[in-house]
Amino acid sequence: GAVVSQHPSRVICKSGTSVKIECRSLDFQATTMFWYRQFPKKSLMLMATSNEGSKATYEQGVEKDKFLINHASLTLSTLTVTSAHPEDSSFYICSARDGRIGSGEQFFGPGTRLTVL
Amino acid sequence: KQEVTQIPAALSVPEGENLVLNCSFTDSAIYNLQWFRQDPGKGLTSLLLIQSSQREQTSGRLNASLDKSSGRSTLYIAASQPGDSATYLCAVTGANSKLTFGKGITLSVRP
Repeated sequence: GAVVSQHPSRVICKSGTSVKIECRSLDFQATTMFWYRQFPKKSLMLMATSNEGSKATYEQGVEKDKFLINHASLTLSTLTVTSAHPEDSSFYICSARDGRIGSGEQFFGPGTRLTVL
Repeated sequence: KQEVTQIPAALSVPEGENLVLNCSFTDSAIYNLQWFRQDPGKGLTSLLLIQSSQREQTSGRLNASLDKSSGRSTLYIAASQPGDSATYLCAVTGANSKLTFGKGITLSVRP
């Protein structure tokens, strides 16, 4: 149980285009989803936290107009990178948690490799 | 602000060796601590989760301990195998329910 999927796994796009990444919890209800970014040889950096049906809460330094997050259902959250530039190239990972379960454990997706040319 | 440190950044050991990976954190007010495994270009696989009230957790050849008061955790891997080669990440959940990650230890187990 507790499987989280991401789509696509890899995307290459031209500078200036927008890219949408989907994160789905397959066998549980994700009351909260998290989006992380990981640079090579660096730790995961939390970008934003989203609760189902609410606006996402962004970490300091993360542009909310550039990284649009939607968490419209208990099983799906999307991250849209708008007007992507080469510096947005990174590995994006989502995680999901059922906040009603006491362990508080987050379950992670397999990640999406974004390359902006 | 919570900081998680994992030293060394890389480790190479011969197959069969027992090894210990270390993790330290600056703020002891944590909800839980997790150890993850990450293979190159892949997502995270949760290995062990230790609640703040627990001292250790075991799964197969893996044993993780937590000393919250001193801000330390160790991941013990028994009888290491080449398939254990990966990056091991330590992360703590703070009172704000957010995970703070270390940079990870890249382990290479030589046949």
